[in-house]
Amino acid sequence: AQSVAQPEDQVNVAEGNPLTVKCTYSVSGNPYLFWYVQYPNRGLQFLLKYITGDNLVKGSYGFEAEFNKSQTSFHLKKPSALVSDSALYFCAVRDRRRALTFGSGTRLQVQP
Amino acid sequence: DGGITQSPKYLFRKEGQNVTLSCEQNLNHDAMYWYRQDPGQGLRLIYYSQIVNDFQKGDIAEGYSVSREKKESFPLTVTSAQKNPTAFYLCASSIEQGGYGYTFGSGTRLTVV
Repeated sequence: AQSVAQPEDQVNVAEGNPLTVKCTYSVSGNPYLFWYVQYPNRGLQFLLKYITGDNLVKGSYGFEAEFNKSQTSFHLKKPSALVSDSALYFCAVRDRRRALTFGSGTRLQVQP
Repeated sequence: DGGITQSPKYLFRKEGQNVTLSCEQNLNHDAMYWYRQDPGQGLRLIYYSQIVNDFQKGDIAEGYSVSREKKESFPLTVTSAQKNPTAFYLCASSIEQGGYGYTFGSGTRLTVV
């Protein structure tokens, strides 16, 4: 079965420092991978996706993600964190039903 | 503006009642999805529909029902058979069956009283 894992429930980082939110995947075949962000009591907003091509994917709000096939990872990164980046982040993979299967989420806390 | 609208934002249900959550989109998307979100568990797929008049069970369909009579609408009914319905419910749509680029609604928070 297609799945993703987010090993960290929470990530804390100081404003201005680089941030990484981790995601590993388990799929058969080529993975279609996604990152979404959720602010309190809101729906999810699309950040970026990897379908094929360059391993470094650039997305919204200065976020990027690195696809690593050998490590089966798709970590979300940003060079300089903002307090406003504090939110809940979800990694997702397209599954055999052509729906998205989500990870459990990682709460990012950026301290001023 | 195109988008996906969920209503109501908050819903309270008494024990033994059925309630229906509305999801409407004007994006001309073919596929629509319902997810349930509980703290620490991420999103779990309840039902999905790739085309009008067709839908499939997701991972946690028991106690829920849906219909897809129009392309724009995908209502979810939480029945009395759902033993633990208190959760945040999210509807999403996508332009094609590939699940690319979901657009999400803003959610409905259902509480059993």
